[in-house]
Amino acid sequence: EPEVTQTPSHQVTQMGQEVILRCVPISNHLYFYWYRQILGQKVEFLVSFYNNEISEKSEIFDDQFSVERPDGSNFTLKIRSTKLEDSAMYFCASSGGQGNSNQPQHFGDGTRLSIL
Amino acid sequence: GNSVTQMEGPVTLSEEAFLTINCTYTATGYPSLFWYVQYPGEGLQLLLKATKADDKGSNKGFEATYRKETTSFHLEKGSVQVSDSAVYFCALSDGTGSASKIIFGSGTRLSIRP
Repeated sequence: EPEVTQTPSHQVTQMGQEVILRCVPISNHLYFYWYRQILGQKVEFLVSFYNNEISEKSEIFDDQFSVERPDGSNFTLKIRSTKLEDSAMYFCASSGGQGNSNQPQHFGDGTRLSIL
Repeated sequence: GNSVTQMEGPVTLSEEAFLTINCTYTATGYPSLFWYVQYPGEGLQLLLKATKADDKGSNKGFEATYRKETTSFHLEKGSVQVSDSAVYFCALSDGTGSASKIIFGSGTRLSIRP
């Protein structure tokens, strides 16, 4: 079964540094998402992306965050200047193959981001 | 706004016991409802879903029925196994169609004793 893949599985970064989290969604999907889960807390929506632009973003997704689909396969989340509170598990998800606009979201295994 | 409230854990049961994890939701309109499972060291996997009132989602022996009158989507399994040990998240889609974000409950950790 096709799956969403995320790299790296664990990223350790100094506070203030830029970090890029990478995701390869399922190949025929059209909708892409990032979520995060701070340790011991809920999984929270960050941003959705469709047709090369942001569809919706949460209040968490401030100017320090950006997303990009640089080619036909990757979907990235960039944090420009990381803060300690950005430490979390970040999940990428994709959904919505061509001709079916109501499929559930499929999640990757996540990238654990640790800010020192 | 829309939200999901689920039973706090952890829940510890013996193998072959009956499982119920309660979930209620608050939403405008008619969201789709989901249960996701996260096994140790893995990502979120869709366990089952229901898209309209009275629908029953089922998978791997788990079931949940979309109850609009009680705004609930409780997860049940008749006989749990050690391999069911995981964190279970109740969730809803906030809107219609594939671009809708998912709103998660806080998760319930389930541990099954042999």
